[in-house]
Amino acid sequence: GAVVSQHPSRVICKSGTSVKIECRSLDFQATTMFWYRQFPKQSLMLMATSNEGSKATYEQGVEKDKFLINHASLTLSTLTVTSAHPEDSSFYICSARGAPETGREKLFFGSGTQLSVL
Amino acid sequence: AQTVTQSQPEMSVQEAETVTLSCTYDTSENNYYLFWYKQPPSRQMILVIRQEAYKQQNATENRFSVNFQKAAKSFSLKISDSQLGDTAMYFCAFNEAGTALIFGKGTTLSVSS
Repeated sequence: GAVVSQHPSRVICKSGTSVKIECRSLDFQATTMFWYRQFPKQSLMLMATSNEGSKATYEQGVEKDKFLINHASLTLSTLTVTSAHPEDSSFYICSARGAPETGREKLFFGSGTQLSVL
Repeated sequence: AQTVTQSQPEMSVQEAETVTLSCTYDTSENNYYLFWYKQPPSRQMILVIRQEAYKQQNATENRFSVNFQKAAKSFSLKISDSQLGDTAMYFCAFNEAGTALIFGKGTTLSVSS
């Protein structure tokens, strides 16, 4: 199956700093990537949808200036948490989808990033 | 707006027994997809089974099968011959072609020996 690599798997940072999380599709071109957030023992909540080469679409209640998403290439999307605070501590997961004509239209998940803000 | 509801926060089952996880959803669309995902302690999302709404036949993957009732908007997952490795959180999810998955709140399944 297709592989989506997410890095780092775990990051600890100080309050006020910024953290970048990368999501790479290793063996297909991801036309769309989705970013989710998951608190302990809760569901995955969609944060934003990004299409290659265009601005991300954020879900209601998600601050776009705080969670910067870049999808500059067909194999890489990044989520930057700016000026992180303890309440941003969470598990962040990306998923990627290829173009239907490639047979990669199904969704593939990264392994997630646990962010802890001190 | 589409919603996915899982009414069983926790379930437990003995090894080798069968367990059914419930899921209902709400949509006004006719073409959509339904999924069950497994999230073990590693937190990697693992696709268990997928169902296209236009298919009447229930999907089956080895010990996992679904009961898809389109009119009732119900999509339950049956796990047969439960194994210790099935212990995980299970999420029911929904999407239309090309859109993001919408997840239910999840059911924590514990399999004991």
